[in-house]
Amino acid sequence: KQEVTQIPAALSVPEGENLVLNCSFTDSAIYNLQWFRQDPGKGLTSLLLIQSSQREQTSGRLNASLDKSSGRSTLYIAASQPGDSATYLCAVKDSWGKLQFGAGTQVVVTP
Amino acid sequence: DTAVSQTPKYLVTQMGNDKSIKCEQNLGHDTMYWYKQDSKKFLKIMFSYNNKELIINETVPNRFSPKSPDKAHLNLHINSLELGDSAVYFCASSPLGGNSPLHFGNGTRLTVT
Repeated sequence: KQEVTQIPAALSVPEGENLVLNCSFTDSAIYNLQWFRQDPGKGLTSLLLIQSSQREQTSGRLNASLDKSSGRSTLYIAASQPGDSATYLCAVKDSWGKLQFGAGTQVVVTP
Repeated sequence: DTAVSQTPKYLVTQMGNDKSIKCEQNLGHDTMYWYKQDSKKFLKIMFSYNNKELIINETVPNRFSPKSPDKAHLNLHINSLELGDSAVYFCASSPLGGNSPLHFGNGTRLTVT
């Protein structure tokens, strides 16, 4: 059974620092891995999707890497801003189409 | 112009009641989902429909019954509500094909008293 773990559970950084969020999964037979952002009282917003054949994806200040063999993904957010404060969730999709989520990392960026 | 919209946003009800949550997407997606987020913030899939057909049905009590009148709508009906049903329920949709991101609604916070 796939298990997805995110470390740390919470993170606080001053504005301008780079953020590094980690995600690990137990079954490397994944279809893709997705990173989402959740703001309080809101739904999830898709940030990046990495297909199983890819090693990384980039969008603006965000970069996500994928190492299937070691069961890990890392989300980097460069030059963090207070607006980046949110909970970040990673999710892995299996061949049946099911998305298994981690518990998330709650990020606070202080001005 | 909300892409995935759920109603109501908040739902407070007593144990034993029956309630429904509605979801609509205007993205033209073929696949819709219901997820449950518990108090520990874990998101778990409940159901997935592809063009009105049920394709994923996780271990969910049969008090929960999804209904998809057309591919733009996926409603969730819950019978005989229990305290443990209190959670935030999210609807989501995606295009057909595995490598497309999910689009989520803003959630329905259900509180059972």
